[in-house]
Amino acid sequence: DTAVSQTPKYLVTQMGNDKSIKCEQNLGHDTMYWYKQDSKKFLKIMFSYNNKELIINETVPNRFSPKSPDKAHLNLHINSLELGDSAVYFCASSPPTGVYGNEQFFGPGTRLTVL
Amino acid sequence: DQQVKQNSPSLSVQEGRISILNCDYTNSMFDYFLWYKKYPAEGPTFLISISSIKDKNEDGRFTVFLNKSAKHLSLHIVPSQPGDSAVYFCAASARGKLIFGQGTELSVKP
Repeated sequence: DTAVSQTPKYLVTQMGNDKSIKCEQNLGHDTMYWYKQDSKKFLKIMFSYNNKELIINETVPNRFSPKSPDKAHLNLHINSLELGDSAVYFCASSPPTGVYGNEQFFGPGTRLTVL
Repeated sequence: DQQVKQNSPSLSVQEGRISILNCDYTNSMFDYFLWYKKYPAEGPTFLISISSIKDKNEDGRFTVFLNKSAKHLSLHIVPSQPGDSAVYFCAASARGKLIFGQGTELSVKP
């Protein structure tokens, strides 16, 4: 009964490769997000989709391309991986009107290591 | 330009005592403030929030205080329990985005 799930949990790859991270939520939420937590532990929003439509795109290199096949899924594809892409990536979702003020529900994270 | 700051990277408290985690922000347009708790190798989980029009919100052992004039909020946990040991993130909401602080690691010692 996992609410927000991500695969894989760990991803180790070489520089220059292309990789994807998948995210699924079974909460019936309309909005999904991708966050990056860097080595300094800051959690920063990258993208947000609402009903498969991109609504937030935070100056992320265009090597990162989110794709939302339906409102329950938001995948993240990364081309030409660089060392600086090493981080933990979190997917999240939120209901249309949060009771508690835009509360978001997070997945367990994907730790990406680029060698 | 960090709009939400948690200036204490860590805090250690004795079990049964009060834990106070602090957060400062710079943007007056934030409409909600939220606290998240994070265990290692897990995603953040929502804990408690407060609207910008309120100054206090309480939920069991957790109370959040908001001082808008000082652009400061705090999370009080009382009494603290060893299971509260985790990283706590403060977040502020504006235009559908959450802006997070860098977290404070709380350690509650038995």
